[in-house]
Amino acid sequence: RKEVEQDPGPFNVPEGATVAFNCTYSNSASQSFFWYRQDCRKEPKLLMSVYSSGNEDGRFTAQLNRASQYISLLIRDSKLSDSATYLCVVNRGVSNYKLTFGKGTLLTVNP
Amino acid sequence: ETGVTQSPTHLIKTRGQQVTLRCSSQSGHNTVSWYQQALGQGPQFIFQYYREEENGRGNFPPRFSGLQFPNYSSELNVNALELDDSALYLCASSLLDGFNYGYTFGSGTRLTVV
Repeated sequence: RKEVEQDPGPFNVPEGATVAFNCTYSNSASQSFFWYRQDCRKEPKLLMSVYSSGNEDGRFTAQLNRASQYISLLIRDSKLSDSATYLCVVNRGVSNYKLTFGKGTLLTVNP
Repeated sequence: ETGVTQSPTHLIKTRGQQVTLRCSSQSGHNTVSWYQQALGQGPQFIFQYYREEENGRGNFPPRFSGLQFPNYSSELNVNALELDDSALYLCASSLLDGFNYGYTFGSGTRLTVV
């Protein structure tokens, strides 16, 4: 079983749609959790950290369920500029900050 | 504040050759990590350097090696290149001071092995 598994995608949605990404992780010792965004042929960029209480940043909402080892990302009112690959990421260490990435889910927002 | 810079941006090598990739960390950062991203996959952790020593390694063979210099810049060396080594190699720097304050990624080096 892969350490971080995501919806395979791709997702194609119209502008204004709400889209949800799901992710599970296998290592219960994982310390911290993130969603990264990666545009085509570019480096990954941090979208948001994910906290147990859930957190929101504008149109983006992230949730973490440690008991189920499940992470989600919700994008509301999607824009054309949201088109990218979304990577679910977990960190196992504190002093040894090793990020484990999921395979990513490609989102295309259509006009 | 300068970000993470990697060189070269693109590289083509022949199977069996050796390659060195370079990374300059962001100002104020003391830790450098290297990741390999094959086409259609997420980045995979290769290793991390902190205070010029390896501080964790992923599931990569010994022909992947690295260095960190006193100015916190780093090199990734790959010997005996294989076709499967073709990938985007990402360097990420961070500040580790009892707590890690998060990564900044460079734009990567795209290596093609033919």
